[in-house]
Amino acid sequence: EAEVAQSPRYKITEKSQAVAFWCDPISGHATLYWYRQILGQGPELLVQFQDESVVDDSQLPKDRFSAERLKGVDSTLKIQPAELGDSAMYLCASSLGTGRVYEQYFGPGTRLTVT
Amino acid sequence: AQTVTQSQPEMSVQEAETVTLSCTYDTSENNYYLFWYKQPPSRQMILVIRQEAYKQQNATENRFSVNFQKAAKSFSLKISDSQLGDTAMYFCALQGGSEKLVFGKGTKLTVNP
Repeated sequence: EAEVAQSPRYKITEKSQAVAFWCDPISGHATLYWYRQILGQGPELLVQFQDESVVDDSQLPKDRFSAERLKGVDSTLKIQPAELGDSAMYLCASSLGTGRVYEQYFGPGTRLTVT
Repeated sequence: AQTVTQSQPEMSVQEAETVTLSCTYDTSENNYYLFWYKQPPSRQMILVIRQEAYKQQNATENRFSVNFQKAAKSFSLKISDSQLGDTAMYFCALQGGSEKLVFGKGTKLTVNP
């Protein structure tokens, strides 16, 4: 069964350093999501792509976070510089399309620890 | 704004018994979807069950069923014949017209042998 791939699974970095996460969605899925899940809370949407275009990045802290999906397939989420408060699980999800009828499939996540 | 509240941070149940997880939500919309997601330890989140608000009939998926009370804005999940593999975090989520998934804080369920 096809799955969403993410790497790395774990990342430890010092504050003020740059860090990047990679996501490969299920083949054929046009919509890709990045979520942040702080320990003890539910995921919160950071950015949503439809193909290579950003649909929603209203919750993305744009002063330090950036996301791209250049060819409309895989995606990279970057943080520069990392802060202690960025420690969290970063989840990627994909779906066939945008809308409630399309199930979102989640990857295993990248657990980031900022020291 | 849309909100989802899960008032039970942790629950436990004996294997083979039935457990119900609670969820309440708030939205001003009339057409929305509700979901229960399962996040096992160190594994990806998966969809357990979903309910379309305009459907009165409660959704069922094998051992999982929901009690959807639209007027009360309540959406509880019942797990029958609990199994050890049901041990996980369970998240209730709402998706309205903005198409953004809004999650609750989750309930940690432990199934004891």
